[in-house]
Amino acid sequence: NAGVTQTPKFQVLKTGQSMTLQCAQDMNHEYMSWYRQDPGMGLRLIHYSVGAGITDQGEVPNGYNVSRSTTEDFPLRLLSAAPSQTSVYFCASSLRTRNTEAFFGQGTRLTVV
Amino acid sequence: AQKVTQAQTEISVVEKEDVTLDCVYETRDTTYYLFWYKQPPSGELVFLIRRNSFDEQNEISGRYSWNFQKSTSSFNFTITASQVVDSAVYFCALSEALGNKLVFGAGTILRVKS
Repeated sequence: NAGVTQTPKFQVLKTGQSMTLQCAQDMNHEYMSWYRQDPGMGLRLIHYSVGAGITDQGEVPNGYNVSRSTTEDFPLRLLSAAPSQTSVYFCASSLRTRNTEAFFGQGTRLTVV
Repeated sequence: AQKVTQAQTEISVVEKEDVTLDCVYETRDTTYYLFWYKQPPSGELVFLIRRNSFDEQNEISGRYSWNFQKSTSSFNFTITASQVVDSAVYFCALSEALGNKLVFGAGTILRVKS
């Protein structure tokens, strides 16, 4: 079982460039989410989805877009990268019911120069 | 609004010492869930425990134990006889009853020296 797979693991972007962080899970989890981790701030929720075709904003959504066309995939798009988006990004998935634990991907370390 | 506070930014102990990591939370919900995650130097997030707001029993798993007290809105984590492999960042998190959105504390860096 692969669990939650994120690609790429590392990425350097120039300011203004766009890119997509990929996230895929093979556990048939309804709930998927994206977090960013910054020093001293823990993880903060960017966007989440409770199922295919349904997405919503989290705490820090500005500058990011998401879509959920299938249960398995939940890509995160940076429209025009800014240095403030330098961070480590984690994708997570979980069963929707009963607040089971979230399974996290390995993370993507993004640097915007 | 929900909030999780981990006041200890960094703790250093010597191997075999016991250490307690503090977690204080705020929520208006009567039903909620609390979690602890471990982030070792390799960077992944490892689930340790989940507790719902109606279950105040303390839990022990090997060298790990958790003390949940609703009266003080705390969910503290104790490692007994710490080992170097326990060195990591530990996150406490809270989620509301409906939905699985996690609110994380800032994390506590634990350094265990041999």
